[in-house]
Amino acid sequence: QKEVEQDPGPLSVPEGAIVSLNCTYSNSAFQYFMWYRQYSRKGPELLMYTYSSGNKEDGRFTAQVDKSSKYISLFIRDSQPSDSATYLCAMSTPGTYKYIFGTGTRLKVLA
Amino acid sequence: EAQVTQNPRYLITVTGKKLTVTCSQNMNHEYMSWYRQDPGLGLRQIYYSMNVEVTDKGDVPEGYKVSRKEKRNFPLILESPSPNQTSLYFCASLNGSSYEQYFGPGTRLTVT
Repeated sequence: QKEVEQDPGPLSVPEGAIVSLNCTYSNSAFQYFMWYRQYSRKGPELLMYTYSSGNKEDGRFTAQVDKSSKYISLFIRDSQPSDSATYLCAMSTPGTYKYIFGTGTRLKVLA
Repeated sequence: EAQVTQNPRYLITVTGKKLTVTCSQNMNHEYMSWYRQDPGLGLRQIYYSMNVEVTDKGDVPEGYKVSRKEKRNFPLILESPSPNQTSLYFCASLNGSSYEQYFGPGTRLTVT
């Protein structure tokens, strides 16, 4: 079993839809949770970062962490064609600099 | 502008010919890291460095070497490349207080 599981998609939604992206993990020591967006032929860029449990909102993006279920989510409201990209979750343990990434979910927002 | 740069961006080489991919950051970050990205496997950490002269293995270090002699630079060395090292490589630097990683643009390596 992989430490971090993420559905690869692709996920196609119409413009304006609410998108839900998810990852599950098995290592209960993870405390730092991140979401990255990666456009084709580009490096990943950090979208959201959460420490421990709870929600975090930034504009149209909301990140949720449920440590009891070992489940994290990224919600995108009012999705736009420019949101079409691959979304990667990543996790890390305090005191280390080892990051474990999900395989990424490819999202396509149709105009 | 804060950035991570990598060179070369594209490289085609032959099995066994030593190569170096350079990485440089201008954010004065202590932490830097190398990843490879493969279809279906995602991003996997090769090596990371917590500071000058301090490095440690990630999940897939076999066949790679790194060095950190200056804070801003973190080169990745393939002493004897093999076809299974054909991949897309990313360098990253980290703001240690916030755990935010900044990635370079990537180096696409093909080993024939």
